[in-house]
Amino acid sequence: EVQLVESGGGLVQPGGSLRLSCAASGFIFSTYAMSWVRQAPGKGLEWVSTISGSGDASNYADSVRGRFTISRDNSKNTLYLQMKSLRAEDTAVYHCVKEKLWLVDYWGQGTLVTVSS
Amino acid sequence: EIVLTQSPATLSLSPGERATLSCRASQSVSSFLAWYQQKPGQAPRLLMYDASNRAPGIPARFSGSGSGTDFTLTISSLEPEDFAVYYCQQRSSWPPTFGGGTKVEIK
Repeated sequence: EVQLVESGGGLVQPGGSLRLSCAASGFIFSTYAMSWVRQAPGKGLEWVSTISGSGDASNYADSVRGRFTISRDNSKNTLYLQMKSLRAEDTAVYHCVKEKLWLVDYWGQGTLVTVSS
Repeated sequence: EIVLTQSPATLSLSPGERATLSCRASQSVSSFLAWYQQKPGQAPRLLMYDASNRAPGIPARFSGSGSGTDFTLTISSLEPEDFAVYYCQQRSSWPPTFGGGTKVEIK
């Protein structure tokens, strides 16, 4: 059974940093691209970033490019999202997702990031 | 980026009725259009992919159609568990984008 469990969310001040983690199990982690998708409270879904299975290629939404860094440790079956220079508009539930060619077949439950003073 | 517009924003129907949800893309996405269902407090779940293919385990009352810029998700006869928010998503070009959602509520 595929499981994606996010952690690392919390309350952070504007301009602060946070690192999210996603522990994956139930599939061969290194063979799948992984992504982060976020959902602001009461709002829709926004694709944040994607990383290839090997970790050598990544892409970002314009809204986070230059501030967020996606990475993975295939030896630990773990996906990361390093977030810097956080803004109020980054407040959201961040979902770790397993995907193929940008089609999501499994979602984690998400971790809430709140950016507020 | 490709903008997806879903309509209506809210659909008020009774169990047993037919639901028709629309998703329009700002430019062609070919057939690279998916639909997800989200219930309160839960992560989204994949329903349909590539416009008309049901994901594993999805009941036959769900069907999808369309290509290019206009797409439809149809629920032939609403069951109580189908009342939820539905999102379309394109994977034709970066960044993948989602529509704003259609809430299907009990009338």
